[in-house]
Amino acid sequence: SAVISQKPSRDICQRGTSLTIQCQVDSQVTMMFWYRQQPGQSLTLIATANQGSEATYESGFVIDKFPISRPNLTFSTLTVSNMSPEDSSIYLCSVEEGMVLTEAFFGQGTRLTVV
Amino acid sequence: DAKTTQPPSMDCAEGRAANLPCNHSTISGNEYVYWYRQIHSQGPQYIIHGLKNNETNEMASLIITEDRKSSTLILPHATLRDTAVYYCIVRVDRGYQKVTFGTGTKLQVIP
Repeated sequence: SAVISQKPSRDICQRGTSLTIQCQVDSQVTMMFWYRQQPGQSLTLIATANQGSEATYESGFVIDKFPISRPNLTFSTLTVSNMSPEDSSIYLCSVEEGMVLTEAFFGQGTRLTVV
Repeated sequence: DAKTTQPPSMDCAEGRAANLPCNHSTISGNEYVYWYRQIHSQGPQYIIHGLKNNETNEMASLIITEDRKSSTLILPHATLRDTAVYYCIVRVDRGYQKVTFGTGTKLQVIP
């Protein structure tokens, strides 16, 4: 099973600033995903990040607000730009090995509070 | 939109079986039913999945109705550590398809 490390685990940020969240996987994976989980809510997919191509964003999420990098098969970053209190959420990185959902693994998440 | 509907919350006495229902009336023939759970402050964790037959593993059992429009996750002897939000998801087993999380069921195991 893949082991995912997310950094930071939590942060408190000022509005108008940006935060970059890192996701490191201990094995090479093709597909990586970024989710947002607003307080008391379910997970919502932000984008899919494949190595060597631009991320694919879901409806309601745009690259200017959530730029994503995927420089190699074990690493990705998500930046939350120009933050407002509405961005306060848990952001989770996920990977699927071999495009098999039984092998979908999630990081512990980054708990972001914007003040 | 989520393809599944679940009750928002349930309570279960410790040591008793927890039966968590899920409706997925629009499930396609090649879609599996998956269950994940999210313990507070952690990422979701895979529990079990099935296509049409009942399945059992060390964590739980999955009962899928014959018409596949609903299923039940059974935790045979719930413990306090089973307190979590349980998500029922339908998706193909292989190949890329976006995972859509519904609202899930918050299971509270009571001492």
